[in-house]
Parts: sequence; structure tokens; C-alpha cells
Amino acid sequence: GAGVSQSPSNKVTEKGKDVELRCDPISGHTALYWYRQSLGQGLEFLIYFQGNSAPDKSGLPSDRFSAERTGGSVSTLTIQRTQQEDSAVYLCASSFGGTVGGQETQYFGPGTRLLVL
Amino acid sequence: DQQVKQNSPSLSVQEGRISILNCDYTNSMFDYFLWYKKYPAEGPTFLISISSIKDKNEDGRFTVFLNKSAKHLSLHIVPSQPGDSAVYFCADASGSARQLTFGSGTQLTVLP
Repeated sequence: GAGVSQSPSNKVTEKGKDVELRCDPISGHTALYWYRQSLGQGLEFLIYFQGNSAPDKSGLPSDRFSAERTGGSVSTLTIQRTQQEDSAVYLCASSFGGTVGGQETQYFGPGTRLLVL
Repeated sequence: DQQVKQNSPSLSVQEGRISILNCDYTNSMFDYFLWYKKYPAEGPTFLISISSIKDKNEDGRFTVFLNKSAKHLSLHIVPSQPGDSAVYFCADASGSARQLTFGSGTQLTVLP
């Protein structure tokens, strides 16, 4: 596709329920990132996928958060037993993934706005 | 631990004038920085980047300056337009996972 797409655009759920957020990266991009932006906060890194390598999960805030990337393309971020503090905008980004030294541009999707009641 | 700081939460500029947005950083691994613009209810949009081999990068109305000794970068927008009104984030692409570390953002308002 032309850009990174995410679904759903908005999600309202009850505390304790599980949610799944989806990301379709730019075609050909091997690197995929998840970030979140809580109200009044900056963007916070969650997890990074590069090709078929094991993901870097160093930014995940708790073990209730997990992510998969099937076939090196689409990714799903799952939050189990949601809490009110999980309410945020969840942003996905992708990049080419082949540049040495980390000097790549990440392109962001529109985000999923999650509200946990 | 890298940090990126944008000390001005907001900036108002008259249309046609120059907008200068500032960013300070610590402990950058690769000295590669990016500026993003964000409108409400949208994801960040890439604007311009700069790497350590340069001290200036220009793209149309947007110019980014990097002062490595001061660990400071700035984004200049000239002339500013009302459509430039948005939140601007600077980011350091130096994470161990190549993740971006973002500043807290500056809300730019360009007044017609």
C-alpha cells in the first residue's frame, strides 16, 4: 500500500478485556515498530521487528502486552486484561530496515485510539 | 540513556515570519535526528532529517541545523504558513533497537 495502515482507528473496551490492534506496514519495509502516546505524554517505544529476527521487546510496559508479526508483514499488538492506564494512541511505524547505523526514516500510521473504561 | 528535550511546549508566529523550534539531546549513539509534524488525530508525518556528517539540511521551507558540540538542533520554517500549525517532535534514532526517542513536542501556531 501507499502508507502504513492501522485498524481499528478507535477502540473502546471495558477494563479486563483483551484487545488486538493491527498494523499493515509499507510494502517492502522489513522493519516495524510499535509506539504509544498517552494523554499529555510523548511517544514511547514498545517493540521492534526486523525481518524474521526475534523482536526487541524492551519497551513493553508489562507482560500483558505482546505482539506478533506474521510472514514478515502484518503485525498485531495484543493487550490482555486491559487497564485504564492502557488508554492511549497506539502508533505503528515501518522503515526499509536495510540501513546500517540506524539512519533510516520511520513512517507512521494514523494510530489506534484505545479507551479503556 | 539518551534523552531528547524540547523545552518550549508552544510557539506562536505570525504568518510569513520565521518559526524556530529547538531541541536538545544527550548521549546520541548515531547522531541522526528527525523532525516530525503531527496534526490532531493523525500519526506523525516525517519532515526532515539530519546526520552527523552535516550541520545543515534544507528542504524547501524547512531547514534543520545541528550543533554537535552544543548537542542542539533546531528546525527553521520560513516563511511560516497557517497550515504549518501542528505539534512538532524532534527524535533521535539511536536506540539499541533503532527505535526513535522523541521529545515532548512543541505546539506551533501560525497566526494569519
